[in-house]
Amino acid sequence: GDQVEQSPSALSLHEGTDSALRCNFTTTMRSVQWFRQNSRGSLISLFYLASGTKENGRLKSAFDSKERRYSTLHIRDAQLEDSGTYFCAAVPTGFASALTFGSGTKVIVLP
Amino acid sequence: GGIITQTPKFLIGQEGQKLTLKCQQNFNHDTMYWYRQDSGKGLRLIYYSITENDLQKGDLSEGYDASREKKSSFSLTVTSAQKNEMAVFLCASSLGGEDTQYFGPGTRLLVL
Repeated sequence: GDQVEQSPSALSLHEGTDSALRCNFTTTMRSVQWFRQNSRGSLISLFYLASGTKENGRLKSAFDSKERRYSTLHIRDAQLEDSGTYFCAAVPTGFASALTFGSGTKVIVLP
Repeated sequence: GGIITQTPKFLIGQEGQKLTLKCQQNFNHDTMYWYRQDSGKGLRLIYYSITENDLQKGDLSEGYDASREKKSSFSLTVTSAQKNEMAVFLCASSLGGEDTQYFGPGTRLLVL
């Protein structure tokens, strides 16, 4: 079955509002990465976490350090340029480089 | 900084044809990856390589071959293209297996 479950699958939010995306893992993960894919298909790395939280501007990500079974991505004060599809991807413990991707959350920011 | 280059950008093939996609990176990264992304879906790992001449199979390796000729390049071969197949193939690299992966712009495949 799928090891990385992303929710929601789609999200619309108005400019200036906050929202959160979540990834649940069916097994413990060693690390997690968050990416954003734009309409042209370009994939940009947002965060890499082995534990704890990281913040970059209006984006903040957390990886549950205890159970290692979920991660979140928070968007604060959403802007139009935040639109895109957000993917989380994680490496299971005991595997070397095998990133497993979620199916993505399509985010649309409305004016 | 560095960049990842994928060629060609678009690839149109015939059913049964062998097709090769190329990827180059100038990050001096050790690990390189090939993923397939179907429309509206997440990425699935085809092959990865942790160093020159190394190859590791991902979940989707059947129907593909790969070759890590040198540290900076990683090529992927579709051994027999399937009719009506349409997908984007994304190449990525990272310093080591645990590090952030950086992606190329993708090769869009269409099989007629």
